[in-house]
Amino acid sequence: RKEVEQDPGPFNVPEGATVAFNCTYSNSASQSFFWYRQDCRKEPKLLMSVYSSGNEDGRFTAQLNRASQYISLLIRDSKLSDSATYLCVVNSGGAGSYQLTFGKGTKLSVIP
Amino acid sequence: GAVVSQHPSWVICKSGTSVKIECRSLDFQATTMFWYRQFPKQSLMLMATSNEGSKATYEQGVEKDKFLINHASLTLSTLTVTSAHPEDSSFYICSARIWVTEAFFGQGTRLTVV
Repeated sequence: RKEVEQDPGPFNVPEGATVAFNCTYSNSASQSFFWYRQDCRKEPKLLMSVYSSGNEDGRFTAQLNRASQYISLLIRDSKLSDSATYLCVVNSGGAGSYQLTFGKGTKLSVIP
Repeated sequence: GAVVSQHPSWVICKSGTSVKIECRSLDFQATTMFWYRQFPKQSLMLMATSNEGSKATYEQGVEKDKFLINHASLTLSTLTVTSAHPEDSSFYICSARIWVTEAFFGQGTRLTVV
């Protein structure tokens, strides 16, 4: 089983749509969870951290289910500028570790 | 603004030559930096962890004699791809973490070996 698995995508959605990405991780000792965004041929950039209680940042909502080892990202009212690859990232090295494990990413295309 | 600067952003080299990629932390000291490689439509794969003043820690399957890492100062880590071959063509990215909550990435280096 891969350490971090994501929906393969691609997701093609119209502007204004709501889209959800799912991610599962295999290491139950993982402590920190993130969603990164990567534009084509660019470096990843942090979109948001994911907290146990769930968290929201504008149109973006992240949720974590430790029991199921599952992470999600919800994007509401999609914009053209949301088109990118979304990476599920897990700090799988344990507390205090700086090692990140990346999912393959899910490509999102928002269509006019 | 960028907190991690990587150079060059792209390079084309002949097979058999060596290429050096620099990763600098701006305005902060990074005792640890990470080097990743990303093939098309694949995830970022950690190659090695670069530790200032000591030897890098390589992930399984990564040849340490081929991918030389030097972290001689708190703001600079370099990755040298030695005797590059076409299969080494990839997107190489470095990162550093200031705190647990976020990793900052360099702009990446697209290496093409012809």
